[in-house]
Amino acid sequence: LAKTTQPISMDSYEGQEVNITCSHNNIATNDYITWYQQFPSQGPRFIIQGYKTKVTNEVASLFIPADRKSSTLSLPRVSLSDTAVYYCLAHPMNYGGSQGNLIFGKGTKLSVKP
Amino acid sequence: GAVVSQHPSRVICKSGTSVKIECRSLDFQATTMFWYRQFPKQSLMLMATSNEGSKATYEQGVEKDKFLINHASLTLSTLTVTSAHPEDSSFYICSATDRFGNTEAFFGQGTRLTVV
Repeated sequence: LAKTTQPISMDSYEGQEVNITCSHNNIATNDYITWYQQFPSQGPRFIIQGYKTKVTNEVASLFIPADRKSSTLSLPRVSLSDTAVYYCLAHPMNYGGSQGNLIFGKGTKLSVKP
Repeated sequence: GAVVSQHPSRVICKSGTSVKIECRSLDFQATTMFWYRQFPKQSLMLMATSNEGSKATYEQGVEKDKFLINHASLTLSTLTVTSAHPEDSSFYICSATDRFGNTEAFFGQGTRLTVV
């Protein structure tokens, strides 16, 4: 499984756009990139997943350059409730058997201030 | 989206006793479930992979006789912490993927175990 590197922490203010970049230099051809959000004392919550280029859903966008060695999670107009830890993972899409285990890095602690 | 439910959400037990944590996939069948442990201010650490109908696979350093895993059906996996000690106090989280292995992993809400 590809190792990922993220900033340990980020600060932002309400209403701003937040971009969290993740480095995954050793990503494999069949790896997807998935971002999870975790609040204190809760399990991780799926945010977005992509393989290449750009993916957008109702909560975030994910930008993946052509070389796929990095990715950027973009959160538009954050609010106080977006304060959480965000994890970037690179993993095979086929979750069958042992390939389904996700290895979490340290994540990025995002603090949104009023 | 798919839901994974853990029970209990928090439990306090006495040192030396055993505690069982349940992980259920509520609206899908999961042939594989995963158990993680998370200490304060740290990331999730994979403990074991739970396979329906077969023995669990444990990560290096995780005692299989202490953390008993049973995955008896396609919707239920249990983790039993045997002879719990204060150092076992942690946040335990399970995750599951559907049996076709082609969706994102869904996580339970976690179980806060405190051993006193």
